Amino acid sequence: AQKVTQAQTEISVVEKEDVTLDCVYETRDTTYYLFWYKQPPSGELVFLIRRNSFDEQNEISGRYSWNFQKSTSSFNFTITASQVVDSAVYFCALSVNQAGTALIFGKGTTLSVSS
Amino acid sequence: EPEVTQTPSHQVTQMGQEVILRCVPISNHLYFYWYRQILGQKVEFLVSFYNNEISEKSEIFDDQFSVERPDGSNFTLKIRSTKLEDSAMYFCASIAQTNTEAFFGQGTRLTVV
Repeated sequence: AQKVTQAQTEISVVEKEDVTLDCVYETRDTTYYLFWYKQPPSGELVFLIRRNSFDEQNEISGRYSWNFQKSTSSFNFTITASQVVDSAVYFCALSVNQAGTALIFGKGTTLSVSS
Repeated sequence: EPEVTQTPSHQVTQMGQEVILRCVPISNHLYFYWYRQILGQKVEFLVSFYNNEISEKSEIFDDQFSVERPDGSNFTLKIRSTKLEDSAMYFCASIAQTNTEAFFGQGTRLTVV
């Protein structure tokens, strides 16, 4: 069975601080995909990144970066120089390599950035 | 930019009533999903739909739920006899190919009273 754990329920930071959101996953499949989604207060789910299990390169996109480590089954997300607009719930999700398979979400981490 | 659209944005219904939640997936996408999110909780998978049939469903998706794609564009979720615990945000999603990113609609907030 697959599982995603986001141990941090809530994180509060002050603007310009760096923050890392942790994600640990479990799967017996050798081919799988990891995702991060952002859910702002307005409620929609916004796709941030997709990474497959064979690509362990870290990725940077502006102030966002992701650290994928298969050895520890982790896919952590770092926001550099956080801003108030980063305040949201962030979900890590997993899907395995089967046609049309569903996303399995973690419970989410609520990030609050104050000015 | 193409997007998944859901209607209505908010629906209030009395317990025991039937509701139909509607979604228009992105036009060239092949896989369609319904997820739900009880307030303050994680997003949970309900059902996936491919090639005009259910491909996977969760334990939540019991006989009270059904999905269909009646006209090749709309994708609906029906709850036959709503219960208080069905109150949640329901998200529709679609993907172009397997294991690519899912595009989610804005959600329908269902409140059962």
